[in-house]
Amino acid sequence: QVQMVESGGGVVQPGRSLRLSCATSGFIFSSYTFHWVRQAPGKGLEWVALVSYDGTDKYYADSVKGRFTISRDNSKNTLNLQMNNLRVEDTAVYFCAREDYDFWGRGTTVTVSS
Amino acid sequence: QAGLTQPPSVSKGLRQTATLTCTGNNNNVGDRGAVWLQQHQGHPPKLLCHRNNHRPSGISERFSASRSTNTASLTITGLQPEDEADYYCSAWDSTLSAWVFGGGTKLTVL
Repeated sequence: QVQMVESGGGVVQPGRSLRLSCATSGFIFSSYTFHWVRQAPGKGLEWVALVSYDGTDKYYADSVKGRFTISRDNSKNTLNLQMNNLRVEDTAVYFCAREDYDFWGRGTTVTVSS
Repeated sequence: QAGLTQPPSVSKGLRQTATLTCTGNNNNVGDRGAVWLQQHQGHPPKLLCHRNNHRPSGISERFSASRSTNTASLTITGLQPEDEADYYCSAWDSTLSAWVFGGGTKLTVL
């Protein structure tokens, strides 16, 4: 069955970095586009970034452009999100989601606080 | 990035029908349609309808989606207590080259 498990969240100070990962199994990882979507406490969903099936195309929300980098390792069936220069407003649960939003991980929590 | 517009809340009675709306523009909803997601408190979102208005396997026939120009709609018939949740729409915006989400609608089943 399809499984997607995020990891790498934690508490970090503003300006620091964090790297999230999403380990997947149960399907052909290299055939799909993937998203990162986040949800701040008590707020709605916010799309963060997308990477194409082969990693050549990447798109970002304006709020993270220039600070976050999405990547993937098709040999390890893993999606990544490198988050640099973190801000308090980046505090959220970060979800990975498959191409059509048909499968989601349970999320990993990122808290940016001094 | 401008998002899609959803009413913050909708309340309907048990076994009634609720229609949730999601308004965008020609570059997003009007272009390729919207997906609909359901999220219960403390859980990840779940896909209810693809952009082509088709339901994934396992999703009840009580959920149906449609689109009229730049507004997507999700209709839920025969409301059940378990339908009480937050509902989000999302669409690819070809001008922004980004996915945009609606703010979500909290559905209350009375």
